[in-house]
Amino acid sequence: QKEVEQNSGPLSVPEGAIASLNCTYSDRVSQSFFWYRQYSGKSPELIMSIYSNGDKEDGRFTAQLNKASQYVSLLIRDSQPSDSATYLCAVNRNTGNQFYFGTGTSLTVIP
Amino acid sequence: GAGVSQSPSNKVTEKGKDVELRCDPISGHTALYWYRQSLGQGLEFLIYFQGNSAPDKSGLPSDRFSAERTGGSVSTLTIQRTQQEDSAVYLCASSFGTSGIEQFFGPGTRLTVL
Repeated sequence: QKEVEQNSGPLSVPEGAIASLNCTYSDRVSQSFFWYRQYSGKSPELIMSIYSNGDKEDGRFTAQLNKASQYVSLLIRDSQPSDSATYLCAVNRNTGNQFYFGTGTSLTVIP
Repeated sequence: GAGVSQSPSNKVTEKGKDVELRCDPISGHTALYWYRQSLGQGLEFLIYFQGNSAPDKSGLPSDRFSAERTGGSVSTLTIQRTQQEDSAVYLCASSFGTSGIEQFFGPGTRLTVL
C-alpha cells in the first residue's frame, strides 16, 4: 500500500465550477498535510497546509482534513483555466522528516 | 536569493559518466531535501539533510548516488556511472525547521542520460 494515494485523473471541470481533489494516507500518526500545485515543466509550489481536523480556507481554496478517515481534500471554488495543473498531496509524520507525496491529480478547467 | 536555486537547469550526459547537481537553499533554512521526478510520476524522496548531517538516506536508489551538504547551506547530489534510468528531474527543497514545516522547491535540474 502506498503511503499517499491520489486519483491520477484527469479531472475536468468547467470554468466557474468547484473542483474537488482527494487524497488518502496510510499512516495514522501523520500530522502535517500539504497541497502543492505543479504546472507542466515547473516545480511544485505550496498552496495550502493543514494540521488540524476540519476546514481551512484561503481565498478560493479550502483544505479539508479528516484524520479518523485518513483523508485530506482540496476544494477549488470558481475554478479558472489558470488552475489547470497537477495537484500533489504531501504528508509528514512529524516523527521523522520524510515527506510522502502522492502521484498527483491532473486538473483541467475548461473555459 | 529569494528562493531555492539549482544548477544546472539542464544536464545531458553520456551513460557511464558522473554528474554533480547543486542546490542552494533559502537562506536560514536548516532542512534540505532531494527528490527525483520521472516523466508523469510523483516525487520520489532521495535524501534529507538537517544542517550538515543526513539522518535519512533511505531513498537513495543505489550506491551510485551520494549527497553532501557543507556549511549548512549548499548541497550537491552526485550520481556516479550514470545509467539511462537515472534520467529525470531532480528537485531540491528546503524548509525553515524540521518536522511538519512546509517545503519550498527549487526549479529542478533536468538530467538526460544518453
